[in-house]
Amino acid sequence: RKEVEQDPGPFNVPEGATVAFNCTYSNSASQSFFWYRQDCRKEPKLLMSVYSSGNEDGRFTAQLNRASQYISLLIRDSKLSDSATYLCVVNGWGNQGGKLIFGQGTELSVKP
Amino acid sequence: NAGVTQTPKFRVLKTGQSMTLLCAQDMNHEYMYWYRQDPGMGLRLIHYSVGEGTTAKGEVPDGYNVSRLKKQNFLLGLESAAPSQTSVYFCASSYSGTSGAYEQYFGPGTRLTVT
Repeated sequence: RKEVEQDPGPFNVPEGATVAFNCTYSNSASQSFFWYRQDCRKEPKLLMSVYSSGNEDGRFTAQLNRASQYISLLIRDSKLSDSATYLCVVNGWGNQGGKLIFGQGTELSVKP
Repeated sequence: NAGVTQTPKFRVLKTGQSMTLLCAQDMNHEYMYWYRQDPGMGLRLIHYSVGEGTTAKGEVPDGYNVSRLKKQNFLLGLESAAPSQTSVYFCASSYSGTSGAYEQYFGPGTRLTVT
């Protein structure tokens, strides 16, 4: 089983749509959870951290379910500029060196 | 602040050649990382460093060596390049902590082709 698994995508949605991405992780001891965004041929950048109580940043909402080892990202009112690959990220084994484990990413394409 | 910079941005090598990729950060971060990204594989950790003078192996270290002689720099070396090392290489850095992990800041990447 992969340490971090995401919906394979791609997701093709019209502008204004709501889209949800799902992610599962295998290490029950993980403490840090993130969603990163990666534009084509660019470096990954932090979109938001994911907290136990869930958190929201504008149109983006992240949820964490520790019991199910599941993370989600909801994007409301999709914009063309949201087109990118979204990476689910979890801290690696043993909390040594701040290592992160990246999912393969889910590609989102928002169409006019 | 320049953040994390990488040189070179692009490189083409012949099989068996060597090269060094340079990563520099100006955020005074303790931790630095080298990843490779291949289609369908996601980001995989090659080597990492938790401080000046220290390095450790990641998930895919074979064929690579690293050095962290200065806190702000992290070098990735390929001693004898192979076509399987054709990839996009990203460097990243982060703050240190006692538990969990912190946001990693990435450089723009180096696109390496080995023929």
